Amino acid sequence: RKEVEQDPGPFNVPEGATVAFNCTYSNSASQSFFWYRQDCRKEPKLLMSVYSSGNEDGRFTAQLNRASQYISLLIRDSKLSDSATYLCVVNRQNSSYKLIFGSGTRLLVRP
Amino acid sequence: GAVVSQHPSWVICKSGTSVKIECRSLDFQATTMFWYRQFPKQSLMLMATSNEGSKATYEQGVEKDKFLINHASLTLSTLTVTSAHPEDSSFYICSASGTAYGYTFGSGTRLTVV
Repeated sequence: RKEVEQDPGPFNVPEGATVAFNCTYSNSASQSFFWYRQDCRKEPKLLMSVYSSGNEDGRFTAQLNRASQYISLLIRDSKLSDSATYLCVVNRQNSSYKLIFGSGTRLLVRP
Repeated sequence: GAVVSQHPSWVICKSGTSVKIECRSLDFQATTMFWYRQFPKQSLMLMATSNEGSKATYEQGVEKDKFLINHASLTLSTLTVTSAHPEDSSFYICSASGTAYGYTFGSGTRLTVV
């Protein structure tokens, strides 16, 4: 079983739609959680950290459920520029602080 | 913000040759460097973790004699793919930690072995 699992998609939505991505992680020792965005053939870029209380950044809302080991990302009012692959990432705060990436969910926003 | 410069951005090499990829932290000291590999339509897979001045720690299944990592200074880490084969063709990317920005990624190197 992969340590971080995501639905690969693709999610194909019209502009203005609301779309939600889910992610589960298997290691209960995971301490920090993030959503990254990766455009084709580019490096991943941090979209937002995810906090237990839930957090919002503009059109993006992230939620964390530690009991269920579940993370979500909600995108409201989708823009064409939101088309990308969204990576769920967890960090195990042992001696090496490794980031463990999910395989990503691809989003296509159409006009 | 923190910047990591990764070179080359792409490289084509012949099978059996070696390729060196460099990652430099331009405005901070990278105490730890992570090296990832990404195959098409797959996620980033951590290959190894290196700390300045010490030997890299490789993930299970990654051949340390094939993927040589050197982190001789706080601003430079290199990954050398030795005796490259077509199955080594991939997107290699580094990530440095050592700042309040958390993790900073290089722009990646697309390696094609022919």
